[in-house]
Amino acid sequence: AQSVTQLGSHVSVSEGALVLLRCNYSSSVPPYLFWYVQYPNQGLQLLLKYTSAATLVKGINGFEAEFKKSETSFHLTKPSAHMSDAAEYFCAVSRGGSQGNLIFGKGTKLSVKP
Amino acid sequence: DAGVIQSPRHEVTEMGQEVTLRCKPISGHNSLFWYRQTMMRGLELLIYFNNNVPIDDSGMPEDRFSAKMPNASFSTLKIQPSEPRDSAVYFCATMGARIYNEQFFGPGTRLTVL
Repeated sequence: AQSVTQLGSHVSVSEGALVLLRCNYSSSVPPYLFWYVQYPNQGLQLLLKYTSAATLVKGINGFEAEFKKSETSFHLTKPSAHMSDAAEYFCAVSRGGSQGNLIFGKGTKLSVKP
Repeated sequence: DAGVIQSPRHEVTEMGQEVTLRCKPISGHNSLFWYRQTMMRGLELLIYFNNNVPIDDSGMPEDRFSAKMPNASFSTLKIQPSEPRDSAVYFCATMGARIYNEQFFGPGTRLTVL
């Protein structure tokens, strides 16, 4: 079975500071991994995805994530936080194909202080 | 493409009334998912369809909830009778070819049951 654990339900950073949102996964097969972002009163929007091509994945709005198989991690980072990054972020895992749907983590709410 | 379309965006109803939420998937997407999001329980998968056929409805809370997908371009989620604890945001998401299993979310319907 697959699962996702997001460490920290709430992360607060200052504007301009590094953003680091943690995600660890469990999967018996090579996983596909995703980060989604949900801005207030909106649906989930794909930020980036890992599909086994490159371990460092770049997404929209300056975010990136690195797949580390040895650590079973897929942490999301951004060098410099902007006020507009305040949102909830969801990590998700899939085994791909007809055998699996997305399994979501519980989400991490990011606050950005001026 | 217009993306996933959900209607209504907001619904306020009284306990005991029937509520119908609607979803139009992205053209060509043959998998459709209904989710519920609350502060307490986070994002929950209620049911999903492949090629208009319900595959897994184990997340449907109880018999008051039902979902249909009469054709490839339309799905409904019905609650009858509604209760205050059904108050939540309901999302529809769709997926195309089953490779990475990336899902595309609609904007959601915010349901309030008084």
